[in-house]
Amino acid sequence: EIVLTQSPGTLSLSLGERASLSCRASQSVGSDLAWYQQKPGQAPRLLIYDASIRAPGIPARFRGSGSRTDFTLTISSLEPEDFAVYFCQQHHNWPPITFGGGTRVEIK
Amino acid sequence: QVQLIQSGAEVKKPGASVKVSCKVSGDSLSQLSMHWVRQVPGKGLEWLGGFDPEHGNDGETVYAQKFQGRLTMTEDTSTDTAHMELSSLKSEDTAVYYCATGVLRYSGFDYHDWGQGTLVTVSS
Repeated sequence: EIVLTQSPGTLSLSLGERASLSCRASQSVGSDLAWYQQKPGQAPRLLIYDASIRAPGIPARFRGSGSRTDFTLTISSLEPEDFAVYFCQQHHNWPPITFGGGTRVEIK
Repeated sequence: QVQLIQSGAEVKKPGASVKVSCKVSGDSLSQLSMHWVRQVPGKGLEWLGGFDPEHGNDGETVYAQKFQGRLTMTEDTSTDTAHMELSSLKSEDTAVYYCATGVLRYSGFDYHDWGQGTLVTVSS
C-alpha cells in the first residue's frame, strides 16, 4: 500500500500570502496524484488531477507540481474561501487508492 | 452536471449492518464508475472500493482488502441508485460515508462529483 505523507499538518497564513503544501509518497506514483479541498461539513472538491492539471472551474491561483514521490500544491495568493483542509490522493498502484492525512490552512 | 444524493444518517448497534444509498441525477449510473470513501469525523479519507470498468471482462467492483467479506457495493440501474452495505459493524466504523464518481485516468481513479455524505454512528 502506498502511504502519502502530507506536511505541514497545519499552515497558518494571512490573506494574500502564498501557501505551499507538500505530499510525499512512500514509493513512486508517477504523476497519478490528485489534490482536494474540503471545508467543514462539505464533501471534498477536486482541485488538481494528474499532479498538475486544474479541474474545471478551479481558479488559476491553485497550482500542482511534482512527480514520482514529491508533490506540491501551491496557492499563489490566499483568498478568504481558501482556508480549508487539503488532501492528496494517489491511484498509481491500487487497490487500495490512498489519501494523505491532510493539511489544514488556517487564518493567522 | 451529475448530482449524487445520499440517504440519511443512521445509528446502528455493534454487529449490525448498514446500507447507504446514493441516487444519481444528471447522468445514468451505468455510464459511471461509482466509488465509496469514508471519513471518521475530523480525520482523513479512506477508500472503500468501487467499480472498475477495466477489471475483468465487463468490469468489476474492487474492494479495499481490509473490508473484504463485510462490504458489498451494488447498483440498481433501473433507478440509477448505488448502494453500499457494511456488515458486522464496529465502533471504529463510525464515519461519514461518501459516494463519488470515479474519473478513470491512465492508471486509476480520482473523484470529481461527490455525494453530500451519510453519517453512520455505531454505538451500543
